[in-house]
Amino acid sequence: QKEVEQNSGPLSVPEGAIASLNCTYSDRGSQSFFWYRQYSGKSPELIMFIYSNGDKEDGRFTAQLNKASQYVSLLIRDSQPSDSATYLCAVRAGGSYIPTFGRGTSLIVHP
Amino acid sequence: KAGVTQTPRYLIKTRGQQVTLSCSPISGHRSVSWYQQTPGQGLQFLFEYFSETQRNKGNFPGRFSGRQFSNSRSEMNVSTLELGDSALYLCASSPRGGSYNEQFFGPGTRLTVL
Repeated sequence: QKEVEQNSGPLSVPEGAIASLNCTYSDRGSQSFFWYRQYSGKSPELIMFIYSNGDKEDGRFTAQLNKASQYVSLLIRDSQPSDSATYLCAVRAGGSYIPTFGRGTSLIVHP
Repeated sequence: KAGVTQTPRYLIKTRGQQVTLSCSPISGHRSVSWYQQTPGQGLQFLFEYFSETQRNKGNFPGRFSGRQFSNSRSEMNVSTLELGDSALYLCASSPRGGSYNEQFFGPGTRLTVL
């Protein structure tokens, strides 16, 4: 059973702070990792994807992947109230199309 | 480019009925996947279609079926509806599918079964 675990939160951070969201996965064969943002009542929106160990940066977002420890994280710098949403982690094993989603972490950025 | 579109956006049905949902992927995308999202189970993969063929299937009963047309548009059908089928049904498109292709979700169809 492939599992993807996320702390449900809510994670509350002040505006301007760094928000750190974590995701662990059980399948060592996992090859591709995705972060989605989902506002309440809306559909998931792709923020970032990462395939290789290390960091990947895109604007205020940084994805970090550590395959040895089987975790992937998402850092949001200079957090804004508009970043308040649920963040979903999705993991795919190599050669498999079927992604496994975590249950998501609720992030609240307060002014 | 226009995004993924889904119709209808909202549906109310009663137990035992059947329902058909429609999805139009992003232009040029050939892979369409369907997901069910509920508060209790989260986001779960139903199936994926590529070039009119079901390429992958999740762990759902046979009441859930789908198809894809030559223009990549896809439909999902649920027969003999149960109360537990109430959920947000999401369609996602991808250029080619596969492990390394990102997916883009449509707005979803909110299905309520009474």
